[in-house]
Amino acid sequence: QKEVEQNSGPLSVPEGAIASLNCTYSDRVSQSFFWYRQYSGKSPELIMSIYSNGDKEDGRFTAQLNKASQYVSLLIRDSQPSDSATYLCAVNEGISNFGNEKLTFGTGTRLTIIP
Amino acid sequence: EPEVTQTPSHQVTQMGQEVILRCVPISNHLYFYWYRQILGQKVEFLVSFYNNEISEKSEIFDDQFSVERPDGSNFTLKIRSTKLEDSAMYFCASRLRWTSGRAYEQYFGPGTRLTVT
Repeated sequence: QKEVEQNSGPLSVPEGAIASLNCTYSDRVSQSFFWYRQYSGKSPELIMSIYSNGDKEDGRFTAQLNKASQYVSLLIRDSQPSDSATYLCAVNEGISNFGNEKLTFGTGTRLTIIP
Repeated sequence: EPEVTQTPSHQVTQMGQEVILRCVPISNHLYFYWYRQILGQKVEFLVSFYNNEISEKSEIFDDQFSVERPDGSNFTLKIRSTKLEDSAMYFCASRLRWTSGRAYEQYFGPGTRLTVT
């Protein structure tokens, strides 16, 4: 059973600070990794994708991937109250472009930004 | 920005009834998916669909489930005889064919809340 593990939290961070979210995965052959944000009662919203080892930055968000350690993380700089949500780590399985890939999600980390 | 849309937003049905959940993927996307999320649990993959056929399905996606792309825009999930445990949020997602840098990103619709009584 392929697993994606996240600390369920809740994680509380003061406004303006850096929020750090972590995820580990079990399938060594996984190649694509995603962070989704989910507000309560809403659908997952894609915020970052990462495919290569290292860091990828997009605005206040930085995704980090270490395939050797099977670890992916998300940093949110200058945290805002609107960042309060559940953050889902998702790992892509299967062979893309044959259409048989699927996302395996973690349980999510609930993040609260304290004003 | 183009979005995946889903109807209805909430469907209430009695156990044993058939339901059809509808999705309109983003217009130039070629790969389509259904996921579900039982209240308080993780998002779970159901099925992927490409080139008018199922390319992958999970153990959840048994004979009671079917998918169809009846025309150029709609993508539907049918549950033939609903059970209490089918109560969940059902999300449709779609993605582009491979393009550099955004190869495998799946975009989710707002979901349909299915309540089976």
